[in-house]
Amino acid sequence: DVKVTQSSRYLVKRTGEKVFLECVQDMDHENMFWYRQDPGLGLRLIYFSYDVKMKEKGDIPEGYSVSREKKERFSLILESASTNQTSMYLCASSPVTGINQPQHFGDGTRLSIL
Amino acid sequence: SQQGEEDPQALSIQEGENATMNCSYKTSINNLQWYRQNSGRGLVHLILIRSNEREKHSGRLRVTLDTSKKSSSLLITASRAADTASYFCATDPNSGYALNFGKGTSLLVTP
Repeated sequence: DVKVTQSSRYLVKRTGEKVFLECVQDMDHENMFWYRQDPGLGLRLIYFSYDVKMKEKGDIPEGYSVSREKKERFSLILESASTNQTSMYLCASSPVTGINQPQHFGDGTRLSIL
Repeated sequence: SQQGEEDPQALSIQEGENATMNCSYKTSINNLQWYRQNSGRGLVHLILIRSNEREKHSGRLRVTLDTSKKSSSLLITASRAADTASYFCATDPNSGYALNFGKGTSLLVTP
């Protein structure tokens, strides 16, 4: 069965901290994505990656960076956490360039910035 | 960018009834997908319909697509309490890798 694993279900950090959210997939997928989900706003794409060391900005990349050193792992980095980054963060993966391919999601990380 | 918009935002029905959710989008697409999200969990893919298809079935799910109206509907027949979740449509625009998700319909099925 396909599996996308996010390192933490819940995380509490302080303003100004550097925060790392980790995501690992075991399906050998080329594409990986980071979304944030907020009430009333739905899912918004932060960054995605279509290959190792490749990354593309999504709709809301400000305040975030990403790293993809290995195919199976995609990390989201909050360079200096702020309270408006309190949110649910969802990682997803999909095979090949998005041609009729569903995305597989992890269970999310609920991040609180105090 | 968000392209799909689900309607209604919230829906409450009783077990055994049918639930219909609608999705509208703005630009041309390769396909449209529906996902379910149980409370506090990630999204789970339900069904994909290609732009050249008009209707698709999977178990108790029926999806229709009208590309001329840029709209889709998801019908859940004989709903169960376990169907309680949020449902999202997502479009796969011709241009890129990522999906555009709507804001979702929250479905509550009461026994």
